[in-house]
Amino acid sequence: GAVVSQHPSWVICKSGTSVKIECRSLDFQATTMFWYRQFPKQSLMLMATSNEGSKATYEQGVEKDKFLINHASLTLSTLTVTSAHPEDSSFYICSALAYEQYFGPGTRLTVT
Amino acid sequence: AQSVTQLDSHVSVSEGTPVLLRCNYSSSYSPSLFWYVQHPNKGLQLLLKYTSAATLVKGINGFEAEFKKSETSFHLTKPSAHMSDAAEYFCVVTDTGTASKLTFGTGTRLQVTL
Repeated sequence: GAVVSQHPSWVICKSGTSVKIECRSLDFQATTMFWYRQFPKQSLMLMATSNEGSKATYEQGVEKDKFLINHASLTLSTLTVTSAHPEDSSFYICSALAYEQYFGPGTRLTVT
Repeated sequence: AQSVTQLDSHVSVSEGTPVLLRCNYSSSYSPSLFWYVQHPNKGLQLLLKYTSAATLVKGINGFEAEFKKSETSFHLTKPSAHMSDAAEYFCVVTDTGTASKLTFGTGTRLQVTL
């Protein structure tokens, strides 16, 4: 079946640094990928929609300069958290759209 | 606008007893509804989906859900809980006709005890 991977699964970074998270569709191509954020014991909140070859569409309240999204190929989208701060610590989940959304396993980001 | 309300944040059942996870939805159009399961530190897995076909939807691992338009509900059930069912469950709605704009409920944590 359709598999989506994320790398890394867990990352710790210092405040002020940037971190990149990769989302790959392993056995299918996805024109559209999504990035979600999940706070502890809460639901998933859509951050942005990533379309291959074009600029991402961000949800209201999401800082596009802070959360940079690049969808350079049909199997890879990246989320870069720039100048990370402790409040950016969260669980980030991506999904790839192919008739339905297939979700990656998530990346836990801890900013110290 | 679309939204879902999961009526219970936490449900505890004994192994072998029935499971009921409740979900009510609000949608301006004909919605598509989904149930996803999330095990700890894992991605979301689709259990089942309703897309305006049969109102009783059967999913994986013995789960099923019934779409009731008059009650705007889409409750998830399973006749007999297993320890491996312990996880977080999300009810999800979209009214775009595709899976592109999903709105998640707040989740229900299912605990299964011996």
